[in-house]
Amino acid sequence: GENVEQHPSTLSVQEGDSAVIKCTYSDSASNYFPWYKQELGKRPQLIIDIRSNVGEKKDQRIAVTLNKTAKHFSLHITETQPEDSAVYFCAASSGTYKYIFGTGTRLKVLA
Amino acid sequence: EAGVAQSPRYKIIEKRQSVAFWCNPISGHATLYWYQQILGQGPKLLIQFQNNGVVDDSQLPKDRFSAERLKGVDSTLKIQPAKLEDSAVYLCASSRVNTEAFFGQGTRLTVV
Repeated sequence: GENVEQHPSTLSVQEGDSAVIKCTYSDSASNYFPWYKQELGKRPQLIIDIRSNVGEKKDQRIAVTLNKTAKHFSLHITETQPEDSAVYFCAASSGTYKYIFGTGTRLKVLA
Repeated sequence: EAGVAQSPRYKIIEKRQSVAFWCNPISGHATLYWYQQILGQGPKLLIQFQNNGVVDDSQLPKDRFSAERLKGVDSTLKIQPAKLEDSAVYLCASSRVNTEAFFGQGTRLTVV
């Protein structure tokens, strides 16, 4: 069945450094790839998304890249800040609009 | 725009009891999802509705879980009877066609 693998499961970085989270999807029909941030006890919230007709998208300190051939997509956060500490989930969605989520990455930004 | 509303926020029940969760999606969102999020894991899709029809329920434990979407708007998810391993946060989300899914606050279920 469809599957999304996400690595690493935990990531610690120094404030100001960059963080990269990687995901791999199995369903070649996937065409929409959102990233969600979930703070402790709160709902997941979209931070950036990318569609399969685009290779890269950037929004201030956050960027997402997509390699359709390899079925990889990655989240890049530059100049990390303590408030970036949270759990990040990638997801892949295909024509049935079903979102399959990765297992999450707990990001800790150390001051 | 009002968000996805869920109730109750918290529920504690004994095993073998039944429980129901309610979700009101964002107005105009045809797609509604129920996810189960066990502590430390990613959301797992239980069931997906498109209007009032089921698109995918392949991971719904149908011997104990049921869900319906009334008139293509509100939805309820029921567990009967509950097991200890059902302890989780149950998230409802809604979206327009293949766009961002907006999540509700979730219902934290504890089965003791």
